[in-house]
Amino acid sequence: DAGVTQSPTHLIKTRGQQVTLRCSPISGHKSVSWYQQVLGQGPQFIFQYYEKEERGRGNFPDRFSARQFPNYSSELNVNALLLGDSALYLCASSLLSASSYNEQFFGPGTRLTVL
Amino acid sequence: KQEVTQIPAALSVPEGENLVLNCSFTDSAIYNLQWFRQDPGKGLTSLLLIQSSQREQTSGRLNASLDKSSGRSTLYIAASQPGDSATYLCAASSGGYQKVTFGTGTKLQVIP
Repeated sequence: DAGVTQSPTHLIKTRGQQVTLRCSPISGHKSVSWYQQVLGQGPQFIFQYYEKEERGRGNFPDRFSARQFPNYSSELNVNALLLGDSALYLCASSLLSASSYNEQFFGPGTRLTVL
Repeated sequence: KQEVTQIPAALSVPEGENLVLNCSFTDSAIYNLQWFRQDPGKGLTSLLLIQSSQREQTSGRLNASLDKSSGRSTLYIAASQPGDSATYLCAASSGGYQKVTFGTGTKLQVIP
C-alpha cells in the first residue's frame, strides 16, 4: 500500500505570491492534518480535516487555508507569501477512530522557499 | 494549552551505548503519545505510539514509556548504531479531535 504522498517536493516562490500544496492520505484514512516545520524546530499544527470538514486550526493567519476533497485528499493554500513562510510543510493522515488511537502517518513533505 | 519539551536538544554517544531521550508535557489529559524519527530534510517516521492507558511499548531495540501523572515519556534505545543518528521527536495527542503537539526534538549522533 502507498503511504502518504505530497506534491510538489520542492517549490520556490517570491514574496506576495500564492502557493498550493497537495496531499493524498493512506487509503482508508479520512483525517488529514497539515504541519509547518521551520528549520531547527518541531512541526507546528496548522489544520486538521476529517470527513471533508475542518476540525481543528492552529495559530496561523487567515492567509493559510485548506480543504479536503471527497476522496479525502487535501490541499493547503497560502496567500501573500512572506519570507517567514519558508519551511517544510508536512501532511499526516490517520484513521481517527477509537481503535486506531489516532496514529499519525506522515508524508515526505514539501520544501517551500520564499525569496 | 499543551506544551511539549524535549531534553537534551542534542546528544552524541559512542556506538553500542544505551541511551534515553526525554519528553515532558504540561497537560496530562492526552489521548496518546507518539515518538518519531526524522532524517535531515525528510518527513517523519513513526517509531512507537503509546495509548493513554498504556505504560510502555517496545519495538526491537526501542522502548518507550509513559507516565501521565508526571507528564513524562522516555524513549530508550539499546545498543545504539550509527544508523540511529537522526532527530527524534515526541508528539502528544489531546483535545476533542486529538490535536497533536510536537516537542522541538533531540538530535542524536552515534559515533562509530
